[in-house]
Amino acid sequence: DGGITQSPKYLFRKEGQNVTLSCEQNLNHDAMYWYRQDPGQGLRLIYYSQIVNDFQKGDIAEGYSVSREKKESFPLTVTSAQKNPTAFYLCASSRDHSNQPQHFGDGTRLSIL
Amino acid sequence: GDSVTQMEGPVTLSEEAFLTINCTYTATGYPSLFWYVQYPGEGLQLLLKATKADDKGSNKGFEATYRKETTSFHLEKGSVQVSDSAVYFCALSGESSASKIIFGSGTRLSIRP
Repeated sequence: DGGITQSPKYLFRKEGQNVTLSCEQNLNHDAMYWYRQDPGQGLRLIYYSQIVNDFQKGDIAEGYSVSREKKESFPLTVTSAQKNPTAFYLCASSRDHSNQPQHFGDGTRLSIL
Repeated sequence: GDSVTQMEGPVTLSEEAFLTINCTYTATGYPSLFWYVQYPGEGLQLLLKATKADDKGSNKGFEATYRKETTSFHLEKGSVQVSDSAVYFCALSGESSASKIIFGSGTRLSIRP
């Protein structure tokens, strides 16, 4: 079955530590996205990538970094500069042209120890 | 810029009640419109979509009609079930948003047995 796999499902970070969230898709989609969701709120776009080796900042990129070395992979690093990282992180992908729906993974819940 | 406004929740209904969740949008040109559903602890799933004016998207008993004249895409279901309890997001993908999708803030729906 084609889909998006996020790992791990739960992740804990110590103060001052960088952590990397994995996102892999086998849908052959060109575009991939990272969102942050806080309790009771909607989705906020962190970074997105429309093609391999290229990515753009979303609305809340500060304290995060990404890479897109392979079409199927779009890992997100939450750096120590992100002072409030506790949230639910969602990865999504879509075909790379406008008006296409996005397909989502099941999310990673990040908490601070 | 493009934006989506949906009714605030939570919405609580009894089983078999009629459901309406309002959604209006602001966008240039002719965006595609979507409803996504998020069950507890999971990612978002595409529920239905409409790509042009007067289109009706439908799935699992839910319906929404793309109304260009009122810039609306209200979600309706004639008889809700307990299993419909979730958070519902209205979203658009427009000409000015590249391949990004703009999400509303979400509406939490709870169905009482």
